[in-house]
Amino acid sequence: AQSVAQPEDQVNVAEGNPLTVKCTYSVSGNPYLFWYVQYPNRGLQFLLKYITGDNLVKGSYGFEAEFNKSQTSFHLKKPSALVSDSALYFCAVSFDASGGSYIPTFGRGTSLIVHP
Amino acid sequence: GAVVSQHPSWVICKSGTSVKIECRSLDFQATTMFWYRQFPKQSLMLMATSNEGSKATYEQGVEKDKFLINHASLTLSTLTVTSAHPEDSSFYICSAKRQGQHQHFGDGTRLSIL
Repeated sequence: AQSVAQPEDQVNVAEGNPLTVKCTYSVSGNPYLFWYVQYPNRGLQFLLKYITGDNLVKGSYGFEAEFNKSQTSFHLKKPSALVSDSALYFCAVSFDASGGSYIPTFGRGTSLIVHP
Repeated sequence: GAVVSQHPSWVICKSGTSVKIECRSLDFQATTMFWYRQFPKQSLMLMATSNEGSKATYEQGVEKDKFLINHASLTLSTLTVTSAHPEDSSFYICSAKRQGQHQHFGDGTRLSIL
């Protein structure tokens, strides 16, 4: 079984300030972790993923996330937020069920609002 | 690369109509396609997983006779909402993936049943 929790429904941050969107997970075995962003009336866009290797993962649009095994967390971060970063962010987790085939479980989503 | 096209993006129709939504992987062959339903301000609910040439695997609680999925080729999957009713109104999103790769999502279809 696998699950993912995004404890915050909404995160508010001022433009130019650093942002963090939290994600914790539970999975049997080694996790595959993902972050996606969704703009209104659009599908999900892939931001970054952790499969193995360096715990700090860099992704699109200046976002990064740090895999912390002891805390089972994969928080999304950005050093300086932009108003255009305002969107819905989804964390997802899966594990390699069989030779590279996996079906992620998505968190409930966190609405990021960046104020000018 | 890895573009997924979903069509139509918005459809409004009368109750009792059947509606077909297409999901195409434009520049890669998708071994697996997924169909999700998303309610306002909520996460994605996985409806079914389909592999090319085989029957879709539906999640618990999803009516397979209501939501018909066809995955006829490695680049096309369709979701048909049969005899749609207002409670079927929702945002439907497809995704596609290759073996060992992450999912690529379409832009979604907003279905409104009057």
